[in-house]
Amino acid sequence: DSGVTQTPKHLITATGQRVTLRCSPRSGDLSVYWYQQSLDQGLQFLIQYYNGEERAKGNILERFSAQQFPDLHSELNLSSLELGDSALYFCASQPGTSGSYEQYFGPGTRLTVT
Amino acid sequence: GQNIDQPTEMTATEGAIVQINCTYQTSGFNGLFWYQQHAGEAPTFLSYNVLDGLEEKGRFSSFLSRSKGYSYLLLKELQMKDSASYLCAVRDGQNFVFGPGTRLSVLP
Repeated sequence: DSGVTQTPKHLITATGQRVTLRCSPRSGDLSVYWYQQSLDQGLQFLIQYYNGEERAKGNILERFSAQQFPDLHSELNLSSLELGDSALYFCASQPGTSGSYEQYFGPGTRLTVT
Repeated sequence: GQNIDQPTEMTATEGAIVQINCTYQTSGFNGLFWYQQHAGEAPTFLSYNVLDGLEEKGRFSSFLSRSKGYSYLLLKELQMKDSASYLCAVRDGQNFVFGPGTRLSVLP
């Protein structure tokens, strides 16, 4: 158990809909990362937040957005869903202090778009 | 562009040593990571290299050559539980680029 929690575990929705995925980092970790893992594209970095501020952006679509709240939990919002958005979405947390590079992954949310 | 290559699959015998290679071409470099991922589970961190050389951590070691754009993960005394995918990832500026992963099967 990494100490990172994600909800829901599974989500099934229809094309065109909007969903919100939630992540609670390990206690004290300031940094949260979001990743998408699909069979054809492997693991892709989406976005990073640090202490409430966006820190880095990867291959995140404009239909997707994220935020990190004052209590450090984070949400990933996916809108206008397409079949190709079906994937496993992971969040990972990191202490965020100098020299800390290990990321702790949550169990993931499996999104199925039908 | 950004590109990371790893062998797709490897097979080794319990108790043996296996080396998983990773080559990368990225516009920047701020460190290389290795992760282990069992089927249906989340990745777990194995190692981080930012300087050339070998980092040893128990049965696992990771090597980096920045001039060659090359890294390897060395697994010693293989156990059945080491059967998993191994992901190489490069931090390029603020972005993370992952390789396709190497699926390792450890046979008795």
